[in-house]
Parts: sequence; structure tokens; C-alpha cells
Amino acid sequence: GEDVEQSLFLSVREGDSSVINCTYTDSSSTYLYWYKQEPGAGLQLLTYIFSNMDMKQDQRLTVLLNKKDKHLSLRIADTQTGDSAIYFCAVAGNKLTFGGGTRVLVKP
Amino acid sequence: NAGVMQNPRHLVRRRGQEARLRCSPMKGHSHVYWYRQLPEEGLKFMVYLQKENIIDESGMPKERFSAEFPKEGPSILRIQQVVRGDSAAYFCASSSPGNTYEQYFGPGTRLTVT
Repeated sequence: GEDVEQSLFLSVREGDSSVINCTYTDSSSTYLYWYKQEPGAGLQLLTYIFSNMDMKQDQRLTVLLNKKDKHLSLRIADTQTGDSAIYFCAVAGNKLTFGGGTRVLVKP
Repeated sequence: NAGVMQNPRHLVRRRGQEARLRCSPMKGHSHVYWYRQLPEEGLKFMVYLQKENIIDESGMPKERFSAEFPKEGPSILRIQQVVRGDSAAYFCASSSPGNTYEQYFGPGTRLTVT
């Protein structure tokens, strides 16, 4: 089945850019997503990209997709303390498969 | 425009009891998905339902777990004879028929089995 991997932890200074990486195995994935989860809360859909795109930008968020390497990244520009959360990458074939999440800690 | 609603938000059950988790999808959404998140892990797909129909239950444990989405009312995830290993956060998501690739999540139900 599909396997989605993320690094566990990222520490970044306020104002810097954060880059969260994700790799996946199923090349037939059609949509790829980034979700944000704050403590004790549900998942907030941040953005998604269709598999025929290489890049998508939405305000401070930039998603890059390298289909050849099956690599997805999320860049957060001008990271704020409110961006501290767990970020999940997910890929959709017939259903959503999630990575284990990257815990982002923003230091003032 | 209310989002996905789940209740209860927290549920405590003793081993052997039944747990019932409810999910009301967003207005206009007729597709519901259930996911389980074990502590410090990502979400794992359990089941995908449309009204009165189970579309994909490949992630559901074979025993004790069942799900339904009746014509009227919320979707229900039922866990019979709960065990400590069932302690987790259970999330429901919904999507509209035309946009099944956009799933919106509820706040989750945190089940604790004592």
C-alpha cells in the first residue's frame, strides 16, 4: 500500500522560512495535501496540489511537487509563532493516506 | 456555515463497554470518512461512507468496529467491547459529491478506555 514519510521535527526562528518535506510511494496519487493540526484540535486543510502541477502558491505557503522523486514540500514564509503545530502531508489515491506528521516549533 | 461536527469531544469508557461516536458532515456534504489517530502518530483511514452505503471499509478492524451513515441523522462509528488499545482520537471528515478530493475534518472525539 501507499507509504508516506515525513521528518518528525523542525525548529525555526520567527521570521525565517520553514520547509517541511514529505515523500510518498504511490505514483498514481492524484491529489497531495498539507494539513495543520494544533494541540487538541482537528485537522485544518491548508492547501493541496493536483499531481499535474509542480508548484502552488497561496499567500505565505508554497507547495512544491517533484513527481519524479515523489517528493512534496511545504514552505512557510515569514514563519510566525502561530504556525507552531503539527503538519501532515497526505496523498490521495482512492483514499487519503497520511504521513506521521512534522512537529514545527517556532522560536521567538 | 457550520463545519463538520463531532460529539462527544471526549469520551471515557471502561473496558468491555460500547463507544458511539457521532459525526455530522458539513451542509451539502454527503460523503463521510472516519480516521483514527493513535498517540504521536498520523491519521489512519478507517472507512468511507455515503448515505446508507459503505463505499470502502478497508481500514476497519475486522471485529468490534462498525460504521453507518443513515438517510437521516449523523454518521455513527461504533466500537463494541472496547479495549485499552482503542484509546485514540477519532476524526471524521466530509466532502461534497462533486469534490471528494476536498475533505474537511471535524475536531475529533478523544476516546479514553480505562
